This record gives sequence, C-alpha cells and structure tokens, in this order.
Amino acid sequence: SAVISQKPSRDICQRGTSLTIQCQVDSQVTMMFWYRQQPGQSLTLIATANQGSEATYESGFVIDKFPISRPNLTFSTLTVSNLSPEDSSIYLCSVEFGRGYEQYFGPGTRLTVT
Amino acid sequence: QQQVKQSPQSLIVQKGGIPIINCAYENTAFDYFPWYQQFPGKGPALLIAIRPDVSEKKEGRFTISFNKSAKQFSLHIMDSQPGDSATYFCAASDTGGFKTIFGAGTRLFVKA
Repeated sequence: SAVISQKPSRDICQRGTSLTIQCQVDSQVTMMFWYRQQPGQSLTLIATANQGSEATYESGFVIDKFPISRPNLTFSTLTVSNLSPEDSSIYLCSVEFGRGYEQYFGPGTRLTVT
Repeated sequence: QQQVKQSPQSLIVQKGGIPIINCAYENTAFDYFPWYQQFPGKGPALLIAIRPDVSEKKEGRFTISFNKSAKQFSLHIMDSQPGDSATYFCAASDTGGFKTIFGAGTRLFVKA
C-alpha cells in the first residue's frame, strides 16, 4: 500500500492566477497520475507524470495549462495555470506500483476559482 | 470502446438490504476490474478487485460477480449498513495499457 499526501488540501484563487499542487508518496512508485473530479462526477485523467521526462497528457489537457513535474519516484506537482472559474474542481493524485494493480489516491485538493 | 458504463447513478436501500451496482465494458483487453469507494472529502479507496479468470470474488460483505462473455461485472454489498453510504466507482484497466477507465459512479445511501 501507499500513503499519499497532497498540499494544499484546499485553496481559493483568483481568476488569472496559478495554483501548484504537491503530491508526496511514502514509498517509491512506478506510476503517478493526476486526475480532476468535478463535484458529483467521475474521475477524469489529466496526465501521467513520468519520472525524468515530460508528462503524458490525455486528450483535452495541455502542458501549458497543466504543467507537471516529477523530479523523483516519490514526488510530483501539478500546476493549474491561468485559472478560470471552470477550473474549480477537486484535483487528485494517484499512484500505481505496476500496471494491472490497484491505484492509491491522495485525499485531493479542492480548488475554488473566484 | 474505452468506456465503462455504470448504473444506477444513485441507489437508496434500507439497512440490511443488498445494493447491486452494475458495470459494462467493451474493450476485451481489460484484465483488471477494481471497485473504489469514496466518502465525501476523501480520495477514492480500493474496495475489492477481480481479474477475468474468476467469476466471483468475496471480501467480507462485498462481492464482485464477473461475466466475461457478457463483458459485465457487478458489486453486491451484503447486509448493507449506513456506514456504507458513499460513492462507488467501478473501473477497468489492462496490464499493457497506460490508464484506468472509471465508471461514472453510483451514489449509495443506506437508510438506518
């Protein structure tokens, strides 16, 4: 299993600014992911954070809007740039120890854009 | 082909009842089918998972039934309790793929 922490747990940001979310895992993991979950909705994968290389983004998500870093096997950041009210959502990081195994999720970061 | 269709969207049962949540998939490459439970303000947590070489798996009060030919799987919660009230997500992935596909979620409310 894995213990995942996210910072901040919630934030209120003004339109046009950016928010960087941190994800820390208590052990080295192969795969790290970033998801968006709008209230009452399912999880939408934003990107896979690759250690030592550029993240792999899903359709509809671009690096300029959601830059991701993964400097090592236990840490990643997601930045949500040029915020608009439509970015108000919960952002979750998750990890997998290998393909075909369970994902462990962080507690999420609730972002509100005013 | 990458979708996982989940139903119902919401479900209300009496304490002790057996809620059933259904999911269907199309991609025959999927070979891992987990269920996640999410409480308000928390991240999803793995509840139980199954691989297509078995038709049923039980863990405590939670059972997954899997029908490979129909490409369907379902979650049954035996003797449901108010503490089971949460949102449940089914999912599917394949060991050669790059992501897990989640269903839309089912909000379960168990009345005391």
